[in-house]
Amino acid sequence: DAGITQSPRHKVTETGTPVTLRCHQTENHRYMYWYRQDPGHGLRLIHYSYGVKDTDKGEVSDGYSVSRSKTEDFLLTLESATSSQTSVYFCAIMDNRGGTDTQYFGPGTRLTVL
Amino acid sequence: AQKITQTQPGMFVQEKEAVTLDCTYDTSDQSYGLFWYKQPSSGEMIFLIYQGSYDEQNATEGRYSLNFQKARKSANLVISASQLGDSAMYFCAMREAFSGGYNKLIFGAGTRLAVHP
Repeated sequence: DAGITQSPRHKVTETGTPVTLRCHQTENHRYMYWYRQDPGHGLRLIHYSYGVKDTDKGEVSDGYSVSRSKTEDFLLTLESATSSQTSVYFCAIMDNRGGTDTQYFGPGTRLTVL
Repeated sequence: AQKITQTQPGMFVQEKEAVTLDCTYDTSDQSYGLFWYKQPSSGEMIFLIYQGSYDEQNATEGRYSLNFQKARKSANLVISASQLGDSAMYFCAMREAFSGGYNKLIFGAGTRLAVHP
């Protein structure tokens, strides 16, 4: 258990509304990631963070922003949600102890945009 | 560009038998890592096993082993003595280095495994 929680776990919202998803970790990991999962695509990286206030874009970052003001929290914001952002969102941390740089995932947030 | 291919959208196996899930990858990096994750119907992503590109022996974790064939760029997951609880989606992933040295994972599309009693 890598001590990762996500909130909310489920959310239904309407097109055009802002949405913020929260990822919280308890083990002081430096690297954190946001992925989305859609059928047929596996997981795709939205944004990642390599430290407090240090973030960068992944492969599907359009329409998303992130913030990391504390080591333990990584927020994903949809400024104006669209139906194409209906997906399951996973947060992950990278554990670089042991040299494998394994990513461990939170339980996921299912977001539906109507 | 790095890529992961899982050619089997669905597989089934009889309980107690072994099953192999295929994964091929494409990279020009010399140093990389390969991972398998399990996603049961409950939705969480569970790390199963890791293989480093310089590891000479195939990785094993309990009933899971990774059949690593570097020249063929394949990293197949072998599950021995399948159990009903192994029914899930399985994802192969490869660690890719970003510019600046940071890592990310790229994922295959997954294989859905059904274990039949």
